[in-house]
Amino acid sequence: GAVVSQHPSRVICKSGTSVKIECRSLDFQATTMFWYRQFPKKSLMLMATSNEGSKATYEQGVEKDKFLINHASLTLSTLTVTSAHPEDSSFYICSARTGTSDRPSSYNEQFFGPGTRLTVL
Amino acid sequence: AQKITQTQPGMFVQEKEAVTLDCTYDTSDQSYGLFWYKQPSSGEMIFLIYQGSYDEQNATEGRYSLNFQKARKSANLVISASQLGDSAMYFCAMRDSNYQLIWGAGTKLIIKP
Repeated sequence: GAVVSQHPSRVICKSGTSVKIECRSLDFQATTMFWYRQFPKKSLMLMATSNEGSKATYEQGVEKDKFLINHASLTLSTLTVTSAHPEDSSFYICSARTGTSDRPSSYNEQFFGPGTRLTVL
Repeated sequence: AQKITQTQPGMFVQEKEAVTLDCTYDTSDQSYGLFWYKQPSSGEMIFLIYQGSYDEQNATEGRYSLNFQKARKSANLVISASQLGDSAMYFCAMRDSNYQLIWGAGTKLIIKP
């Protein structure tokens, strides 16, 4: 099956620093990657959708200058939390989607990374 | 507006019993997909089962089955013969026309030995 990796799995940083999280599709090309944020015991909250070679589409309320997303290739997307603060501490999950939007999808086409737990001190 | 509702924040079930996790959805799309994911304490999202809106038969995957009632807009997950390893958070999700997933609040399932 399709495998998505995330690195790092866990990061602790000081307030004010920037943290980069990588999301890679290991055995398939991902035209679209999604970045989610999850608070403890809560559901996933979509932050942004990134398509290879174009700017990410951010959900309402997500600061694009704070959460920089780069989808440089069909297998790699990065999320950079700039000038991190304690309130940015969370579990960040990426997913990668195969297929194209003009083709009907009838199966699980969104594959999730294992997540990154960010703690900002 | 599109929405997924999971009304059970938590459930306790005896090992080996069957369990039903509720999920209702709201959408005006004619074509949509419904998913169930399992999230153990490690955090990874594990795909369990998928049901397409035009699928006439209920989806089944091993011990998992999806009780799809389109008129009632419900897509309940049934786990047969529950095991201790089934203890986890379970999320129902719906794929919208932009291929984004809309998530329910989740149900925490605890299997008792």
